[in-house]
Parts: sequence; C-alpha cells; structure tokens
Amino acid sequence: EDQVTQSPEALRLQEGESSSLNCSYTVSGLRGLFWYRQDPGKGPEFLFTLYSAGEEKEKERLKATLTKKESFLHITAPKPEDSATYLCAVQADTNAGKSTFGDGTTLTVKP
Amino acid sequence: EAGVTQSPTHLIKTRGQQVTLRCSPISGHTSVYWYQQALGLGLQFLLWYDEGEERNRGNFPPRFSGRQFPNYSSELNVNALELEDSALYLCASSPGTGVSQPQHFGDGTRLSIL
Repeated sequence: EDQVTQSPEALRLQEGESSSLNCSYTVSGLRGLFWYRQDPGKGPEFLFTLYSAGEEKEKERLKATLTKKESFLHITAPKPEDSATYLCAVQADTNAGKSTFGDGTTLTVKP
Repeated sequence: EAGVTQSPTHLIKTRGQQVTLRCSPISGHTSVYWYQQALGLGLQFLLWYDEGEERNRGNFPPRFSGRQFPNYSSELNVNALELEDSALYLCASSPGTGVSQPQHFGDGTRLSIL
C-alpha cells in the first residue's frame, strides 16, 4: 500500500530563518509527487509536481527536490505569509486517479 | 479563470439523514475527485470520476456514492449519516488522465453531524 510520511509535524521559524520539510514515500511505481499548501478553512493549493529522481522545481522562496525515497521542500528566508500547512501527495501507477496524502507539516513563521 | 467551486460551504445534519454535496470543476477539466478530511486526519481518497464514469474508489462503505454529469460537474451523496462522517469534504479537478496531473481543489463543504 502506498504510504507518505511527512516530518516534522510542526515547525516554527523566525522570519528569514531557512529550513526544509521532508516527505518520505513508499509507492509501487511513482507517477508523480505533488506539494500543496493549505491555509486554515481552505482547500489545498497546488505548488509543484515532480516526476523523477533528481528533478527540482522553484517558486519564489520555495524549492522542491525529489529522490527515489523522499522529497524536500526547502524554504529560503521565509516570511510570515508563508505560514500554512504543507502537504505532500503521491500518485502511483497501480492506483489511477488516487492521490495518497501525508498528514502535513504546519509551518509558523514569526516576524 | 474560475477555480473549483463547491456548495454548500457548511451543512449540519443529524444521524441517519442523507446529504448531497455539489462540485463544479475548472473549465476544461474532465476529471473530478472527492476527498474526506476529518479533524486531525489527512486527506482520504473517496472517489474519482472521469467522462461521466466512476474510475476508482477509496476504502469507504457503499453509502458514499456519487455521479458526474455531462457538463463534468459532480455530486457526492452520503446516506445514513454517522457521527464519524463529520469532516471537510473536498472536491478536486484535473484535465484528465494520461500523464500524472496535479489535482486542483475547491475550499470544501464542512459537514457536521449531530
């Protein structure tokens, strides 16, 4: 069965203090790995798709990387508006249409 | 471009009742997905519809069902509501199958069972 584990569960940073979020996955045939941001009371907002080991994507202060067993979301010089829950999800060859989500990392950035 | 829209935003029901939730996908998207996000739990996959057909189903009882209409909008029906059905129900859409596509989510329907 496909599994996604995110760590840490919660992360508190000072504004400008860079860090990384981890997403470890077990899947039979990775079709894609996705990062989302979810604000309280809202649906997840799509950030990145990664398809193969070694791939990297960047958007503003965020950079996502992928290996064969895990993905990292690097946050450089975060701002308070980056505070949110970050979700990682995988899609597998063997379970079409289904995204398996991790439980998320809740990031709080203090000014 | 309008995003995924869901209605209603909030619902309060009692045990044993039935409920219908509605979802309109992003224009041009043919696939619709339903997820349950219970308090303190991650998103759990419920159903996937594409081109009007149910393509995949998660580990939920048959009282969770749905359909997709010719305009690609979708309904999720839950019969015989139980207390543990209290959750945020999220709908997502994507352009369809083929290369793995990200799913774009609406803001959900908050269902409370009393």
